Amino acid sequence: GAVVSQHPSRVICKSGTSVKIECRSLDFQATTMFWYRQFPKKSLMLMATSNEGSKATYEQGVEKDKFLINHASLTLSTLTVTSAHPEDSSFYICSARRGRGTGELFFGEGSRLTVL
Amino acid sequence: QQQVKQSPQSLIVQKGGISIINCAYENTAFDYFPWYQQFPGKGPALLIAIRPDVSEKKEGRFTISFNKSAKQFSLHIMDSQPGDSATYFCAASGFTGGFKTIFGAGTRLFVKA
Repeated sequence: GAVVSQHPSRVICKSGTSVKIECRSLDFQATTMFWYRQFPKKSLMLMATSNEGSKATYEQGVEKDKFLINHASLTLSTLTVTSAHPEDSSFYICSARRGRGTGELFFGEGSRLTVL
Repeated sequence: QQQVKQSPQSLIVQKGGISIINCAYENTAFDYFPWYQQFPGKGPALLIAIRPDVSEKKEGRFTISFNKSAKQFSLHIMDSQPGDSATYFCAASGFTGGFKTIFGAGTRLFVKA
């Protein structure tokens, strides 16, 4: 299967700092990537859809100025949590779709963010 | 209309038994129904998926049963093993909603040795 790499897997930062998480599709081009947030023992909550070369589409209730998403190439999307606060602590997961339309999503391993 | 309802929330099965997880959807525009398996601290991984033109798909010990008229689909894990203990998510996607994948709430499966 296709591989999606997410980095870092764990990050601890101080309140007020910004953190960048990278998501790379290693062996295919992903025109669309998705960013999810997952709380303990809960399902995946879609935060935004990232399309290569255009602005991300954010889900209702997600602060676009807090969670900056950039999809600069067909293999890389980044999520930057700006001015992080303890309530931003969570498990963030990216996924990439190979091709267009409906189809298999390939997920990264997730990034555990802890804001002190 | 975008919801995918999943049950049960948790499931305990004896080793060698059959695990059954059910999902229901409302949006008839969905045309892709995957099941994902997630272990603690890891991202989800695709287990098996089905499209509405077939009623059943089997891959090894995993089978999806799909009932288009009832708008329901289920995952059956035959000969369940302790290594199958994980959280399982059903999902659905389709043209409506820009091909976003909608996830069920998840089922935590524990297989007793």
